[in-house]
Amino acid sequence: QQQVKQSPQSLIVQKGGISIINCAYENTAFDYFPWYQQFPGKGPALLIAIRPDVSEKKEGRFTISFNKSAKQFSLHIMDSQPGDSATYFCAASMQNSWGKLQFGAGTQVVVTP
Amino acid sequence: SQTIHQWPATLVQPVGSPLSLECTVEGTSNPNLYWYRQAAGRGLQLLFYSVGIGQISSEVPQNLSASRPQDRQFILSSKKLLLSDSGFYLCAWSLPGSGEQYFGPGTRLTVT
Repeated sequence: QQQVKQSPQSLIVQKGGISIINCAYENTAFDYFPWYQQFPGKGPALLIAIRPDVSEKKEGRFTISFNKSAKQFSLHIMDSQPGDSATYFCAASMQNSWGKLQFGAGTQVVVTP
Repeated sequence: SQTIHQWPATLVQPVGSPLSLECTVEGTSNPNLYWYRQAAGRGLQLLFYSVGIGQISSEVPQNLSASRPQDRQFILSSKKLLLSDSGFYLCAWSLPGSGEQYFGPGTRLTVT
């Protein structure tokens, strides 16, 4: 049973547009929510992460929005560029779990020129 | 700075042959180490994790095993490969108590 549900499965956005990826979780013990970016044939790279004591975190064009009561978090990619075309994974972990991450299924983002 | 290495980068092996994939981390001590498998176009499946030398926990019962002979070395093995073992194998590390996990470049395994 997947503990983190991610949508959509794929996304096409025009250059300059906003990409939005959503994730939902059930386990209220989760206290760390990272996003990873993966290019074909490469390992995932940590992009940005948030803890539940804040509702939003922004790093450059990437923003995480976190809604604790709804148990949802999302990644917004502003001013999307063709170089952002990749697969994005959300994940969640909890304390005392040896750092184990529960991953979403991934979203393939394609940014058209 | 920390660096994680995996080798080989690609591997083609016949069914029934043994497997050994290696992962090493530089620039840190006593990391937590993880092995994942990613099927084509799919998500990441945690296979094993280790919190110290000789300490291995298995997440999914299967044809694979893992070992940690040294603090910063993690090995994934199989005695006899199956077709279903094909995939992209990823090693990752994190500092104890930290949620931040960093991945290696991966090994593409094709079992024929």
